[in-house]
Amino acid sequence: SQELEQSPQSLIVQEGKNLTINCTSSKTLYGLYWYKQKYGEGLIFLMMLQKGGEEKSHEKITAKLDEKKQQSSLHITASQPSHAGIYLCGAFLPNAGKSTFGDGTTLTVKP
Amino acid sequence: DAGVIQSPRHEVTEMGQEVTLRCKPISGHNSLFWYRQTMMRGLELLIYFNNNVPIDDSGMPEDRFSAKMPNASFSTLKIQPSEPRDSAVYFCASSFTLTENTEAFFGQGTRLTVV
Repeated sequence: SQELEQSPQSLIVQEGKNLTINCTSSKTLYGLYWYKQKYGEGLIFLMMLQKGGEEKSHEKITAKLDEKKQQSSLHITASQPSHAGIYLCGAFLPNAGKSTFGDGTTLTVKP
Repeated sequence: DAGVIQSPRHEVTEMGQEVTLRCKPISGHNSLFWYRQTMMRGLELLIYFNNNVPIDDSGMPEDRFSAKMPNASFSTLKIQPSEPRDSAVYFCASSFTLTENTEAFFGQGTRLTVV
């Protein structure tokens, strides 16, 4: 997707390490979603951010939306092998009336 | 609720054959989305329905693709005739409303292989 850019494209970390995945848009976002996908499975909703500066946490995963609502980061603390998978950010485009997604970040956690 | 249910989970078909993918959204959801995921293009929105009516089908790649939603609890995505480049994972998702305030829930996907 050119509307949402994710970085890095792939990430390999040692178990126990922290990591961050970024999602950037050239437009103001009105709802930013983070999903996780394991190979061959469906997407699992993680979090949704709406307000500038908003931060949400679920277990060891924290997501933030910057004040301008154009960039979001997903941070995993003390990564575990269970965190491995593909992380996708998505956003709703109100003018277009539809959702768009980043290309995903593939996370590998080495035990 | 069992979540969004897609069938089949895997489909292998020969080029030229018709393929029909099925989706049952979460009960009470009035928006339904069909996505296609490939390594090259990532996740792409094909079409979405609101209250069983197609709202935007601009993501449908070609006339070979068609989607229907005859009622609130069922939708199909049909490819006729299928081609090898249609091989991908097709996801169906549903949400309660079509706004930025609600999340979409995805099915497990149908992995389509056209040989």
